Amino acid sequence: GIQVEQSPPDLILQEGANSTLRCNFSDSVNNLQWFHQNPWGQLINLFYIPSGTKQNGRLSATTVATERYSLLYISSSQTTDSGVYFCAVRLAGTASKLTFGTGTRLQVTL
Amino acid sequence: DVKVTQSSRYLVKRTGEKVFLECVQDMDHENMFWYRQDPGLGLRLIYFSYDVKMKEKGDIPEGYSVSREKKERFSLILESASTNQTSMYLCASRSSGTSGTQFFGPGTRLTVL
Repeated sequence: GIQVEQSPPDLILQEGANSTLRCNFSDSVNNLQWFHQNPWGQLINLFYIPSGTKQNGRLSATTVATERYSLLYISSSQTTDSGVYFCAVRLAGTASKLTFGTGTRLQVTL
Repeated sequence: DVKVTQSSRYLVKRTGEKVFLECVQDMDHENMFWYRQDPGLGLRLIYFSYDVKMKEKGDIPEGYSVSREKKERFSLILESASTNQTSMYLCASRSSGTSGTQFFGPGTRLTVL
């Protein structure tokens, strides 16, 4: 099956700092989503981005499908950004399940 | 906004009990999913359904069953709960086709004693 790797596994930032999270995948995909899991366990959609670039406030994401990676940028980080960030992909040509990466755990400190 | 709700936020059951976890979505999505999440193991798919009364096994279906009698509702059943089923259970829904955003419910933290 498709492999999804996220890096770094853990990240500690001071409030106000910027960061880049990376998601590499092993095959062509037709769906890529970024999620944020908050401390209460809820998975919140950030981006649906199988290709191209999107921005939403302090967050932006870029997927380069031909090179099989996606990047999530967090600018001016806040303590509320803390949690785990997951990338999830679906194999191209299928409508089957999403495969999740193992996540990046982000802690933003004051 | 899509809303996915789960019947309980926290649940404590005893070994051997039959457990029902309910999930309801309000966006007329065809696809619904049940995952469990455990430390160090990430999200693992238990079962999914792509239509009423249809179901497909995911990666870890053993010890679980599901029911989808109505489009908006997808139930996960633990026929005889065991301590190794203590976990966070997450329900999700998504529209059909190759594109489409998947939305998650708030999760149910199940403890089996």
